[in-house]
Amino acid sequence: QVQLQQWGAGLLKPSETLSLNCAVYGGSFSDYYWSWIRQPPGKGLEWIGEINHGGSINNNPSLRGRVTMSADTSKNQFSLRLSSVTAADTAVYYCARGRVDCSDIGCYVSWFDPWAQGTLVTVSS
Amino acid sequence: DIQMTQSPSSLSASVGDRVTITCRASQIISSYLNWYQQKPGEAPKLLIYSASSLQSGVPSRFSGSGSGTDFTLTISSLQLEDFAAYYCQQSYTTPRTFGQGTRLEIK
Repeated sequence: QVQLQQWGAGLLKPSETLSLNCAVYGGSFSDYYWSWIRQPPGKGLEWIGEINHGGSINNNPSLRGRVTMSADTSKNQFSLRLSSVTAADTAVYYCARGRVDCSDIGCYVSWFDPWAQGTLVTVSS
Repeated sequence: DIQMTQSPSSLSASVGDRVTITCRASQIISSYLNWYQQKPGEAPKLLIYSASSLQSGVPSRFSGSGSGTDFTLTISSLQLEDFAAYYCQQSYTTPRTFGQGTRLEIK
C-alpha cells in the first residue's frame, strides 16, 4: 500500500522560499502525477500543481510563477519550492498522488489519493 | 478557471439521517468530479471518483451522482464517524479546483 511522507520548514519570514519534500513508499512512481495542494487555516483546498516522473509539470496560474517543482526518480521523492512567500501563503501544505486516466479529453489527473499528513507552514515576520 | 460551488456550506444532522450535499460547476465537466472527506487535523480522503464510483474501502452508505454541472453526494444513514467536512473537486481541466466545502455537524 502506497504511503506518502512529507517534510520541510514550518516557519518562514516574508520574502523567503518555502521548501517541502515528499517521499513515496510502495507502488509505482512513474505511473502517476505527484501533486501539491494547500489549505489556509480554517479555509478550503487550493491545488498548487503537479509533476510526473519525466518532469512534466502543471501549475496553478494563480501563484504567478513562484512555484518550482522537481522529482527525483532515484529516491521516489518530489519537491515543492514557493518563492517570495507572504502571510497569504500560510497554510497546511499536502502532497498527494494523482491518478492518471485517459479519455476523450486526453490524459489527465483524475483524483488525488492518498495524501500525506500535511505540513503547516507559517509565514510571519 | 472552473468555479465549484457547494451547498449548503454547513449542515446539522443526526445519526441515522439521510444527507445530501450538492456541488455545482461553473461549466460542463461531464463526470469529472470527485468527493473528499476531511476530519479535523487530518488530510482529505477520497470517497467518490468520477461522480459516482465508490473508492475502495469506503462504506456503501456513501454514494455520488450527477453529470454535466450538477452533482450530489449522499450519505444514506449518518454514522458518528461521518461528521466531517466534505469537498468536491473537478478534474476536467487545470487548474484543478475544489468546492469551498460543506461542514457536517451533529445536531
